[in-house]
Amino acid sequence: NAGVMQNPRHLVRRRGQEARLRCSPMKGHSHVYWYRQLPEEGLKFMVYLQKENIIDESGMPKERFSAEFPKEGPSILRIQQVVRGDSAAYFCASSPAIRNEQFFGPGTRLTVL
Amino acid sequence: KNEVEQSPQNLTAQEGEFITINCSYSVGISALHWLQQHPGGGIVSLFMLSSGKKKHGRLIATINIQEKHSSLHITASHPRDSAVYICAAYGNKLVFGAGTILRVKS
Repeated sequence: NAGVMQNPRHLVRRRGQEARLRCSPMKGHSHVYWYRQLPEEGLKFMVYLQKENIIDESGMPKERFSAEFPKEGPSILRIQQVVRGDSAAYFCASSPAIRNEQFFGPGTRLTVL
Repeated sequence: KNEVEQSPQNLTAQEGEFITINCSYSVGISALHWLQQHPGGGIVSLFMLSSGKKKHGRLIATINIQEKHSSLHITASHPRDSAVYICAAYGNKLVFGAGTILRVKS
């Protein structure tokens, strides 16, 4: 009965590289949410996906960030051409249906050098 | 003004004390989450509630929808309760408070 899985747990990238963060929701959960926690700041919503669909991406930066949740496999948050300001903890959460309790993964700590 | 306000920002207690953390929100919500985060650690969902009161072990959460206010209580606090406690209002999406840093001293 695994919880939400995220990998990698820590990711180091140099400026200009790409970062790919993966999230496997809990079994039976088809709703995935991504959140960002900047250093010394609170959590902020980024994007909400349901299998193969982006439902709400109002919290995603307009450029360089994208997310997907394919029919098979984990949800991916992709950051192209990373900059130092992207350094943060990225959490994903999943739920079995909309507005149900969300269960969080352990997070990916991204450091951009 | 933030949509979700928590108080206090920091709280230090002696082991065994009764602790209350407050959360006020200005958005319309369907439910409210209470979350716990240990330093450098992941996030654990403690409660999701839309009315009344829920209890789990030494933790109690209450919500008053009319007053747009929720409280998290910890009875008989213990050093292992030291963490950041975050409330999140659930409208169309989760909107988070800034968190309350709790330190329980032995």
